[in-house]
Amino acid sequence: KAGVTQTPRYLIKTRGQQVTLSCSPISGHRSVSWYQQTPGQGLQFLFEYFSETQRNKGNFPGRFSGRQFSNSRSEMNVSTLELGDSALYLCASRWGTVDQETQYFGPGTRLLVL
Amino acid sequence: AQSVTQLDSQVPVFEEAPVELRCNYSSSVSVYLFWYVQYPNQGLQLLLKYLSGSTLVKGINGFEAEFNKSQTSFHLRKPSVHISDTAEYFCAVSPLQGGSEKLVFGKGTKLTVNP
Repeated sequence: KAGVTQTPRYLIKTRGQQVTLSCSPISGHRSVSWYQQTPGQGLQFLFEYFSETQRNKGNFPGRFSGRQFSNSRSEMNVSTLELGDSALYLCASRWGTVDQETQYFGPGTRLLVL
Repeated sequence: AQSVTQLDSQVPVFEEAPVELRCNYSSSVSVYLFWYVQYPNQGLQLLLKYLSGSTLVKGINGFEAEFNKSQTSFHLRKPSVHISDTAEYFCAVSPLQGGSEKLVFGKGTKLTVNP
């Protein structure tokens, strides 16, 4: 079974631009979560989608948004990029609820904002 | 709200020595507890998790952790480490809320195993 895939793996953008990151969960998984990892703030939860609905949200500004499609694939969008948005963005998927099954992480998309 | 404190940012050990990575948490509600490992340029891999039941949890690669509710701790241990265990380890908690998962991570502990 293929793992969680994230595209692109690396991305360079300039301040003010917007970016869209993609995550394809493991086949059959309905929950997709996004995390931001930076050296300063560590790993922080962005949001979780389950069956196309946002089920949970972290403390990030409205510039960060996401969505999930009917095939469970998810996209994350960051508008008006700032230098501080440079980070590794990790996506994770799971079939059921947290007490039913493990969450599996993808390799991440490394975003550099210049 | 929840918070996780990993007491050591870096832990150097020699190969075949035992290791303990310490994790304390704070939460006003019941939580699930996790340990993840991250190898360079890779995503996170679950080592083990505590949901309920026995407080001693065994995970992959010979790791185990003990949940101590009174001390709000969830320390990770391995009796004999290998060079390949060199990685960054993250302790995390997730509040029990309707099956949704919102992991709160510690800052991580870099484990370096030296020959």
